[in-house]
Amino acid sequence: QVQLVQSGAEVKKPGASVKVSCQASGYIFTSYAIHWVRQAPGQRPEWMGWIHGGNGDTKYSEKFQGRFSITRDTSATTAYMELRSLTSEDTAVYYCIRQLPFSWFDPWGQGTLVIVSS
Amino acid sequence: QTVVTQEPSLTVSPGGTVTLTCGSSTGEVTSSYYPNWFQHKPGQAPRSLIYSTTNKHSWTPARFSGSLLGGKAALTLSSVQPEDEAEYYCLLFSGGGWIFGGGTNLTVL
Repeated sequence: QVQLVQSGAEVKKPGASVKVSCQASGYIFTSYAIHWVRQAPGQRPEWMGWIHGGNGDTKYSEKFQGRFSITRDTSATTAYMELRSLTSEDTAVYYCIRQLPFSWFDPWGQGTLVIVSS
Repeated sequence: QTVVTQEPSLTVSPGGTVTLTCGSSTGEVTSSYYPNWFQHKPGQAPRSLIYSTTNKHSWTPARFSGSLLGGKAALTLSSVQPEDEAEYYCLLFSGGGWIFGGGTNLTVL
C-alpha cells in the first residue's frame, strides 16, 4: 500500500536547523509531488511548500522563503525538508503529504514532532 | 494574506445532518480553489475525505458530501455517526499556494 514514513522526533536549540525525512513506498515516487505541512499546538495546519518527485521543482510559502528548503533523493524515494534558524515558534508536528492530480492529497505521513527549546 | 474561515465548533445529534463551511477572505470560493476536506482525530494523521470540491475517495463514507454553497465550500454529513466526532479542516488553493482553514470541532451528542 502507499505509505509515507517520516523520521523521528527532534529536539533542537534556538538558532539550530532541523532536517526531516519522508520515505515513500507503494507508488512511483517520481510521478507525484510531496508537500510539507506543519501544525503548531492549538493552531491550524500551515502549508510550507512542495517538491515534485520527478523534476525536483519546488514551490515555497512566502512565509518560509529563505530559511526553508525541500529536497529529494529519487534513488531512496525520500523527500526531505530542512528548516533553519529555528525559534520556539517552529515547535510543531511536521507532516509530508503526497499530491496526486486534481489536488488529491493522500496519504499523510505519521508526523514528526519538532521541539525547539533552550 | 488570505484567511480561510470555518465554524470553530458545531454540535450534531446522532443520525442528524450538519453542514460545515469554508470561506475565503478574498471572496467567493469557486472550484478553482480546489477545496479539500480532511478529518483529523487525536493521535492520528489527518485523512482526506473530499478533494476538488465534490470528489470522494474510495474510503470516504457515503454520508459525507462536498459542494459549493453560498460562496463557500461546504462539507455535509448526513446520518451522522458517533465516530464522525473529530476536527475537520478545509484546504484551499489561493495565490499560488495552499491555505488551511482554522478547523471545525464537530461534537456528536
